Amino acid sequence: DAKTTQPTSMDCAEGRAANLPCNHSTISGNEYVYWYRQIHSQGPQYIIHGLKNNETNEMASLIITEDRKSSTLILPHATLRDTAVYYCIVRVPERTSGTYKYIFGTGTRLKVLA
Amino acid sequence: GAVVSQHPSRVICKSGTSVKIECRSLDFQATTMFWYRQFPKQSLMLMATSNEGSKATYEQGVEKDKFLINHASLTLSTLTVTSAHPEDSSFYICSATRTGNYGYTFGSGTRLTVV
Repeated sequence: DAKTTQPTSMDCAEGRAANLPCNHSTISGNEYVYWYRQIHSQGPQYIIHGLKNNETNEMASLIITEDRKSSTLILPHATLRDTAVYYCIVRVPERTSGTYKYIFGTGTRLKVLA
Repeated sequence: GAVVSQHPSRVICKSGTSVKIECRSLDFQATTMFWYRQFPKQSLMLMATSNEGSKATYEQGVEKDKFLINHASLTLSTLTVTSAHPEDSSFYICSATRTGNYGYTFGSGTRLTVV
């Protein structure tokens, strides 16, 4: 099962900041939080990831609470092209290979309105 | 960097035939690749984890004899849908990972339609 929960959908006005929340209350101390987005009929696109400090890149900012049980992805100036499904992911150990896998939750369908 | 190429992007096949989908890491070695399936308006569902040189690990409920996965090299994994049926029509997506805390890179997906 996915280790994250997100609101099903959100709307945001073009040019405004989009704030997408995510709960990951069972996250372990050394696990990162990853954010991806999926535009219709494409593969998921990496946005940002973080451990406990806030992170910023050219696409977005990631704010992680001090207890690490939740985070918020911020798109500072949303455009119509940011309309997509946004997924917040915490990796899950893959038992037989010793690696980690992504289990996707439902994600948040963000609609940017003109 | 970290590009994953998936081929073909679209395929239509007749019911009962098999179809192979390729996933290649173009500029890095992928020790592990993952295969997902996505039905319309649903999230990605993990089908299997593919490790180079060893058998794939399938998620519960995924038929390993129907969805054959081969990961013969550090840059190529293939998914073969055998004896395809219309209910196998879906969007299939692969992803690949490097060692370390890098995010996983996804391919662009393959739209399979079984007629």
